[in-house]
Amino acid sequence: GQQVMQIPQYQHVQEGEDFTTYCNSSTTLSNIQWYKQRPGGHPVFLIQLVKSGEVKKQKRLTFQFGEAKKNSSLHITATQTTDVGTYFCAGPDTGRRALTFGSGTRLQVQP
Amino acid sequence: DARVTQTPRHKVTEMGQEVTMRCQPILGHNTVFWYRQTMMQGLELLAYFRNRAPLDDSGMPKDRFSAEMPDATLATLKIQPSEPRDSAVYFCASGLVLGRGNQPQHFGDGTRLSIL
Repeated sequence: GQQVMQIPQYQHVQEGEDFTTYCNSSTTLSNIQWYKQRPGGHPVFLIQLVKSGEVKKQKRLTFQFGEAKKNSSLHITATQTTDVGTYFCAGPDTGRRALTFGSGTRLQVQP
Repeated sequence: DARVTQTPRHKVTEMGQEVTMRCQPILGHNTVFWYRQTMMQGLELLAYFRNRAPLDDSGMPKDRFSAEMPDATLATLKIQPSEPRDSAVYFCASGLVLGRGNQPQHFGDGTRLSIL
């Protein structure tokens, strides 16, 4: 079945440093979504990418969809303590006609 | 803001007891998902419904888990009998899915289940 892998599993940064998480799929994706889950909270939708090579920005967050539509990345510039949480990518599982979530990257930001 | 409502927020019970978790999806959403989250397995899709019809429950242990959607405002997930390995956070999510596209999923706060 389809697999969506994320690296790294965990990253600890100093406030102000940049952060990047990578998402790789075993199959070509028609689109990819990103979610953020704060500690003790629930996943919250951030963005969806659809086009090959697409880049979208939300303030300090930059999302990219690979040219082959098999990978994606989320880059945070100048992290803040409010960025703490786990970031998940999710791609459509055509077999189950639902989303398959990646394993997530947990970000810890040291003030 | 519209939100997905899950009850109970926390549940602690003994092994062998029946557990029922409830979810009220966002009004107008036609798809409801049940997920289980653990440290080891991450976020797993258990089952989902579209327009109240079950579309996929392949992620659920069939012998003890059951999911239903008796009406458009209520989805339930039951475990009977419960086992310690069922301890996890169970999330319900809803979304509006039109055609073959994927739309954002809106998650509830989850039910934190502990089976002793």
